[in-house]
Amino acid sequence: AQKITQTQPGMFVQEKEAVTLDCTYDTSDPSYGLFWYKQPSSGEMIFLIYQGSYDQQNATEGRYSLNFQKARKSANLVISASQLGDSAMYFCAMRERPSSGAGSYQLTFGKGTKLSVIP
Amino acid sequence: GAVVSQHPSRVICKSGTSVKIECRSLDFQATTMFWYRQFPKQSLMLMATSNEGSKATYEQGVEKDKFLINHASLTLSTLTVTSAHPEDSSFYICSAPPGGQGRSYNEQFFGPGTRLTVL
Repeated sequence: AQKITQTQPGMFVQEKEAVTLDCTYDTSDPSYGLFWYKQPSSGEMIFLIYQGSYDQQNATEGRYSLNFQKARKSANLVISASQLGDSAMYFCAMRERPSSGAGSYQLTFGKGTKLSVIP
Repeated sequence: GAVVSQHPSRVICKSGTSVKIECRSLDFQATTMFWYRQFPKQSLMLMATSNEGSKATYEQGVEKDKFLINHASLTLSTLTVTSAHPEDSSFYICSAPPGGQGRSYNEQFFGPGTRLTVL
């Protein structure tokens, strides 16, 4: 089973409107972290926001907020007041504790959502 | 913030040659670095975990002899694609968590990526 599921291959949003990008995850580890990254056409991975499994409040970073619903295992990204520069691929990722107990905290990525902001 | 650099950013080579990609952490020490591969319009797939002072850990299906990883120092990991073939053409990205140096493992920084084209 996929650990990270992003069901929206592509999304369109009008400039200045808000948009929600969906992400659901699957893990049996009680301690995990959820990340959102933005990847513009240049290819670089830009960190947007992080939510820990024990965090009581939803994470926010400027125009980005994470709608964390633990019982539903969902971690949707909300972008408010969309800008043309927000057009990019967006990846949801999860970090679980390494099974070996060593410090290797690799991320598992979803397939991504391509967001296009319309002027 | 922490910076991870990669070199070269783009490389074109002939089939059968070897290509070395460098990943450096510029302002922090990284005992662990991760190497990902991303095919066009697809997600990032973890290839291997690079460990300073010990052998790399490869993901299932990744050929150790083809993708040689050397973590020579606390700031440098190299990925060598040996006897490259056209099917190795991809976007290779490294990342490093700077945890344990006054920074949280909640941060994970990516290099800008290397686009490899094998003719």
